[in-house]
Amino acid sequence: GAVVSQHPSWVICKSGTSVKIECRSLDFQATTMFWYRQFPKQSLMLMATSNEGSKATYEQGVEKDKFLINHASLTLSTLTVTSAHPEDSSFYICSAEIAGGPDTQYFGPGTRLTVL
Amino acid sequence: RKEVEQDPGPFNVPEGATVAFNCTYSNSASQSFFWYRQDCRKEPKLLMSVYSSGNEDGRFTAQLNRASQYISLLIRDSKLSDSATYLCATLKNTGRRALTFGSGTRLQVQP
Repeated sequence: GAVVSQHPSWVICKSGTSVKIECRSLDFQATTMFWYRQFPKQSLMLMATSNEGSKATYEQGVEKDKFLINHASLTLSTLTVTSAHPEDSSFYICSAEIAGGPDTQYFGPGTRLTVL
Repeated sequence: RKEVEQDPGPFNVPEGATVAFNCTYSNSASQSFFWYRQDCRKEPKLLMSVYSSGNEDGRFTAQLNRASQYISLLIRDSKLSDSATYLCATLKNTGRRALTFGSGTRLQVQP
């Protein structure tokens, strides 16, 4: 089956620092990847849609200058949380759709961010 | 009102019980429907897609009612390993192709 990896799996950082999270499709090409965020006991909420070779599309309320997304290749998208604050502490999960494939999205294992 | 709504539970059931979850969606543009399972502090894993005609996979049966805009998941002969949070998700046929998730229903199967 299609495999999506994320790195790092967890990170703890000080307030004000920036954190980069990578999302890779290991055995397929993904023209579109999605970034979700999940706070405790809540659902996954879409943050942005990452399109290879073009600018990401952000959901309402998500600051594009704070959450920088780069999708430079068909197998890699990165999310950088700039100047992280404690309220950014969350579980960040990416998913990828096989280019030209069915509706199924494949999820990465998630990255747990804790900002002190 | 949330676009996809679920009863958060928890549903506490004994092993071997049959349990059913419902999920309602409000956006009529939703065209594809899914049930995901999420274990604590893990990513969601696709359990099954949901088709209008209903579909079954072992002990799991999913149903879709487009007229009433709800989907259901039935788990028969519950196992301890079924304990998890079950998320329903929809995909619209317009605009972006990201999934819209419900907040999940927690199931705890007890020995």
